[in-house]
Parts: sequence; structure tokens; C-alpha cells
Amino acid sequence: DTGVSQDPRHKITKRGQNVTFRCDPISEHNRLYWYRQTLGQGPEFLTYFQNEAQLEKSRLLSDRFSAERPKGSFSTLEIQRTEQGDSAMYLCASSLRTVDEKLFFGSGTQLSVL
Amino acid sequence: QKEVEQDPGPLSVPEGAIVSLNCTYSNSAFQYFMWYRQYSRKGPELLMYTYSSGNKEDGRFTAQVDKSSKYISLFIRDSQPSDSATYLCAMSAIEIIFGKGTRLHILP
Repeated sequence: DTGVSQDPRHKITKRGQNVTFRCDPISEHNRLYWYRQTLGQGPEFLTYFQNEAQLEKSRLLSDRFSAERPKGSFSTLEIQRTEQGDSAMYLCASSLRTVDEKLFFGSGTQLSVL
Repeated sequence: QKEVEQDPGPLSVPEGAIVSLNCTYSNSAFQYFMWYRQYSRKGPELLMYTYSSGNKEDGRFTAQVDKSSKYISLFIRDSQPSDSATYLCAMSAIEIIFGKGTRLHILP
């Protein structure tokens, strides 16, 4: 499978715990994006990387959230001290920016904070 | 006013009908316009991608962009039950901004 891969698919955690999600983009894609989606809403932009550089972060991304893309390949999104309001689908997407803006999404990680 | 407005539906139409989905936007800097389809518990899948104003056709799908009215549309001809999904419009200048999505049900 050469698509965008996300792990885990589902995560249930207790409030106050830390969680980490992983995204493996399409191999030749140089841009990697993180979005958050809640029920009945469209995806909301969180952050994106061009290769290993994090170029933009949304105001939605509080200081409890951190994302990395070491070596410009896979990326991790960590949420510290989770809150119930963090419950959402976390979507990763990748694109080949030098060509166009077409995003290819993974199936997402569904986070439930109890 | 949100940057991208999209009626959330749900929209129910009989099989075989022509479906019309629409979005309006406020940011005149948007240059790229996209439609994504999202099935339940899955990530969005790119359906149509257009740059600037005009029409683009791909099989049963036609995307229209009217930059003067800040209005984009997606038409689905000969709709099938498998087209039942949420359809998200998206547009970009720097960031890619999504609409809320319209839930579509095609009734057999």
C-alpha cells in the first residue's frame, strides 16, 4: 500500500495523559499536514511541514500540542495533558508541493479522551 | 462570517438524479479549488481539483468555479448509492481551508 498511513487508528485515553500519533506520508511527497476533524465539521488545519521544517502552525495548536518530522519522512503529533475537548479525528495528509496542492489523506486516528 | 460556507445537509436524492453541491467563500485570494469525498470513519479522498475559474469534468463529476461570485459547485450525474458520503469543498491561497461538508444520501 503506497498511501498515507496513520497509527494507531483508534486511541482511548484518560484526561491528563499524553498521547502520540504517527503518520507515514507517500514516500516522494515533501509536504506533510496535520488536520483535526470533529463530528459534523470539516478538517481544521493544525500544522504542516515542508521536508523536516515546520513552516506554519494554526492558532488552534496550543502549547500542549507538538509535531515533529525528523529527517523529513514520517511525522509524530503529541498531545500532552489531554483534555476532553481534544477528542477528535486527527488526520494526516501529504502532497508534492512542487507540483500542486493536492492533498492525500490517511484514514486518521480517532482520539477519545475520557 | 466564515471563510468557506457549505450547507451541511443532509441532502437526499433518488438514484439516477443529478446532484448539485455548492460552497461560497469570502477570500478573493483563493486560487485552488477542490472537492473531497469522505466516507464514514475514513479520511477525505480528492475528487476534483481546479485552478481559477471555469469548468472541469471527470466522468460523472463536473466542478465549476465562479470567482466573480465567489461560488463553486460540484455536479454528480447519474447518481449511485455508492455516492452516498460527505462531500467537502476546499480552497487554498496559502493554507487549505475546508467547508463543513454536505452529507449526501442517494436513495435506491
